[in-house]
Amino acid sequence: EVQLVESGGGLVQPGRSLRLSCAASGFTFDDYAMHWVRQAPGKGLEWVSGISWNSGSIGYADSVKGRFTISRDNAKNSLYLQMNSLRAEDTALYYCAKSSSLDYWGQGTLVTVSS
Amino acid sequence: DVVMTQSPLSLPVTLGQPASISCRSSQSLVHSDGNTYLNWFQQRPGQSPRRLIYKVSNRDSGVPDRFSGSGSGTDFTLKISRVEAEDVGVYYCMQGTHTFTFGPGTKVDIK
Repeated sequence: EVQLVESGGGLVQPGRSLRLSCAASGFTFDDYAMHWVRQAPGKGLEWVSGISWNSGSIGYADSVKGRFTISRDNAKNSLYLQMNSLRAEDTALYYCAKSSSLDYWGQGTLVTVSS
Repeated sequence: DVVMTQSPLSLPVTLGQPASISCRSSQSLVHSDGNTYLNWFQQRPGQSPRRLIYKVSNRDSGVPDRFSGSGSGTDFTLKISRVEAEDVGVYYCMQGTHTFTFGPGTKVDIK
């Protein structure tokens, strides 16, 4: 059974940093691209970032480019999102999702940016 | 950037009746590899999104056959042949041909 478990969310002040993690199991992690998608409270889905199976191809939404960094550790079956210079508008539930067609999603981890 | 639009944004439906959601993209979603990367997701209240349909018309495992996807180029449709109570939620289309973009979502509820 595919499982994706996000962690690392919390309350953080504007301008500070946070690192999210996604622990994957139930599939061969290094066979698939992985993605982060976020959902602000009461709003729709927004793709944030994606990384290919070997980290050779990485992409970001314009809204986070230059502030967020995606990475993965295939030996640990884990995906990460380093978020710097956080803003109030980054407040959202952050999901990790498997594959280039987002076939499986985790339950999300909540990031709240507020002073 | 590719912009995805959906209509309607709110869809009250009667149990047992059909429902249809339209999704349009600002440019063709036909990839250079010949595939069209248009997916549909369902998000039930309080739950994570779940993929229903991939590459326009391919239903995911476990998805009831009352759900179907169609379309080409820039115009796509998700149809529910007979709405059931468990279908209540928000439905999103998403394109994966030009990076990734979601539509704004269509809220389906029961009249």
